[in-house]
Amino acid sequence: EIVMTQSPATLSVSPGERGTLSCRASQSVSSNLAWYQQKPGQAPRLLIYGASTRAAGIPARFSGSGSGTEFILTISSLQSEDFAVYYCQQYNIWPYTFGQGTKLE
Amino acid sequence: EVQLVESGGGLVKPGGSLRLSCAASGFSFANAWMSWARQAPGKGLEWVGRLTSKSNGGTTDYTTPVKGRFTISKDDPKNTLWLQMNSLQIEDTAVYYCFAGEWDSGAYKEFWGQGALVTVSS
Repeated sequence: EIVMTQSPATLSVSPGERGTLSCRASQSVSSNLAWYQQKPGQAPRLLIYGASTRAAGIPARFSGSGSGTEFILTISSLQSEDFAVYYCQQYNIWPYTFGQGTKLE
Repeated sequence: EVQLVESGGGLVKPGGSLRLSCAASGFSFANAWMSWARQAPGKGLEWVGRLTSKSNGGTTDYTTPVKGRFTISKDDPKNTLWLQMNSLQIEDTAVYYCFAGEWDSGAYKEFWGQGALVTVSS
C-alpha cells in the first residue's frame, strides 16, 4: 500500500503567519491527493482535492500544490480557527491511505 | 441540509459482532459513493472501506486489516448505510465515521457524519 508521510509532525506558528505543510507519497499518486482538517471531537473536513482544488466553502487562504510524490498545503495567513490537525490522503490506488497528520499549534 | 447520522456503536467483547448504521439525508444517496473511516483513540485516520454507487457497479473495497470481517451495504430507498463488523478485535476500537462523496456540477463534495464509538474490550 502507498505510505503517506507528513512533515513536520507539529508546526508552531502565530496567527497571521504563513503555514506550510508537506506530504510525501511512497510512490506516485498523480494529482489524486486530498487534504483534510480535523478539530478535536469533530469529523474531518475536506479542504482540497485533486491536489489543488479547494472544496466548496473553503477560504482562499488555503491552497494546495504538487503532483506525483510531493505535495504542499499552504495557509497564507493563519486565523485562530485554523489551529487543528491536517491530514493528507491519496486516492490514486486502493487502499486509500492517510498521512499521520500535522498538528498546527 | 445534508446530514449523516451514525448509530449502533458501543462496547463489545473480542470476537463479537456489531452493526453500525448511517442515516443519510439532504443529498443524492443513490448516486453517492459511500465510505467508512475510523480513528483509534489519539491516532490518525484509516479508510475502512467504500461502496460505489449502483451506476458504478455497487462494488465494495476494504482495507486489509478488516477484509473478510467487515461488510458494507446500503439500502437506497431507505437512505441507510451499514457496516457489519464481525470477529472484532481490540485493535478495532475506534470512532467510526460514515461519509459520502458526490460530484455536483463538476465539483466534488464530501459529507461526514459525527462518528460512532466502538470499543472492543473484555
